[in-house]
Amino acid sequence: SAVISQKPSRDVCQRGTSLTIQCQVDSQVTMMFWYRQQPGQSLTLIATANQGSEATYESGFVIDKFPISRPNLTFSTLTVSNMSPEDSSIYLCSVEDPGTGGYEQYFGPGTRLTVT
Amino acid sequence: AQSVTQLGSHVSVSEGALVLLRCNYSSSVPPYLFWYVQYPNQGLQLLLKYTTGATLVKGINGFEAEFKKSETSFHLTKPSAHMSDAAEYFCAVSGSDYKLSFGAGTTVTVRA
Repeated sequence: SAVISQKPSRDVCQRGTSLTIQCQVDSQVTMMFWYRQQPGQSLTLIATANQGSEATYESGFVIDKFPISRPNLTFSTLTVSNMSPEDSSIYLCSVEDPGTGGYEQYFGPGTRLTVT
Repeated sequence: AQSVTQLGSHVSVSEGALVLLRCNYSSSVPPYLFWYVQYPNQGLQLLLKYTTGATLVKGINGFEAEFKKSETSFHLTKPSAHMSDAAEYFCAVSGSDYKLSFGAGTTVTVRA
């Protein structure tokens, strides 16, 4: 399975600022996903990021708030813009495992964001 | 569209007892079903999956799950709980678009 790393692992940010989260995979993957896990909650898909195309956002998430880049097949970034305390969450990236064709996703360790 | 319902937000079991976590799904297409585990302050780890074929699937750490189409269920079991099984467990479903929809999660505590 793919090995995924995220930076930073955690951060505390002031409201009104922006944070860019990086996701690095040790193999080339077509599909990368970004999820949000609010405190004590389940995971919600923010967007799907495929290399060479614009990210596709789920209902309730917009590009101005969560711009995503996917410059190559092993890397993606998610920016949380103009942050408010409601953005305090764990942000996780995941990839579809190309080796199995079994539709499973593998997750990074997450970025724990606190907005004050 | 797909959705998942996990029955019971908290489950407490004694060490050595059966672990049973319930998951029901709704899907307009043949579903792909998954169980993930999340240990404190960690990311998600895939326990097992069902895509096609055998409806009883075995995963890591002694867990298994059975896909029952007639009941739209995918319950997770482990015959004998270990202290290390204390974690949060998520059932998830996807279709051919790979997008995962997660249940609310079930927190498992194991009593000595």
